Amino acid sequence: NAGVTQTPKFRVLKTGQSMTLLCAQDMNHEYMYWYRQDPGMGLRLIHYSVGEGTTAKGEVPDGYNVSRLKKQNFLLGLESAAPSQTSVYFCASRPGLAGYEQFFGPGTRLTVL
Amino acid sequence: QKEVEQDPGPLSVPEGAIVSLNCTYSNSAFQYFMWYRQYSRKGPELLMYTYSSGNKEDGRFTAQVDKSSKYISLFIRDSQPSDSATYLCAMRTYSGGGADGLTFGKGTHLIIQP
Repeated sequence: NAGVTQTPKFRVLKTGQSMTLLCAQDMNHEYMYWYRQDPGMGLRLIHYSVGEGTTAKGEVPDGYNVSRLKKQNFLLGLESAAPSQTSVYFCASRPGLAGYEQFFGPGTRLTVL
Repeated sequence: QKEVEQDPGPLSVPEGAIVSLNCTYSNSAFQYFMWYRQYSRKGPELLMYTYSSGNKEDGRFTAQVDKSSKYISLFIRDSQPSDSATYLCAMRTYSGGGADGLTFGKGTHLIIQP
């Protein structure tokens, strides 16, 4: 099992550009999450999904959109990137009713110039 | 006041020492507690997962939860240089239809000196 994988690993954008981050998991988990990690701020929840076709807002959702068209994939989109979105983005998943522990991917480092 | 407080460190100890890492929290509804280890430029890795109060041991690691004091700890025995990392505490309430997700501390940077 690969666990949780994220694509791409690194990306540099210019202000106003758009991009999509892909998260994939092969553990048949129901729940998936997107976090951002910034120095001095810790991990903050952007959006999450409790199952295929569902999404919900987390703590810091503004400027981001998500989609969960397939159970194994969770996409995070930035429609018009801003320098404030420079961060490390982590995807996580958990089984659902079986427990609350989340399993994280390796992260995507995004710089917006 | 932040929901979860964690001293960012760095905490530097000699190899072989017992390490104590701690978090305090303010939300008495938190029931599930986790510790994650994060190496530089890597994703968080789950170390320990406990429910409610009490102790849980796994090898050199012991997690302790004191709900009356709203205080959780992670102890590392016989610390090794490979334990050098940032340790994140995380917690959540029982899922009762509200928002999902974990609340994290900001992490403690631990350095084990050979």
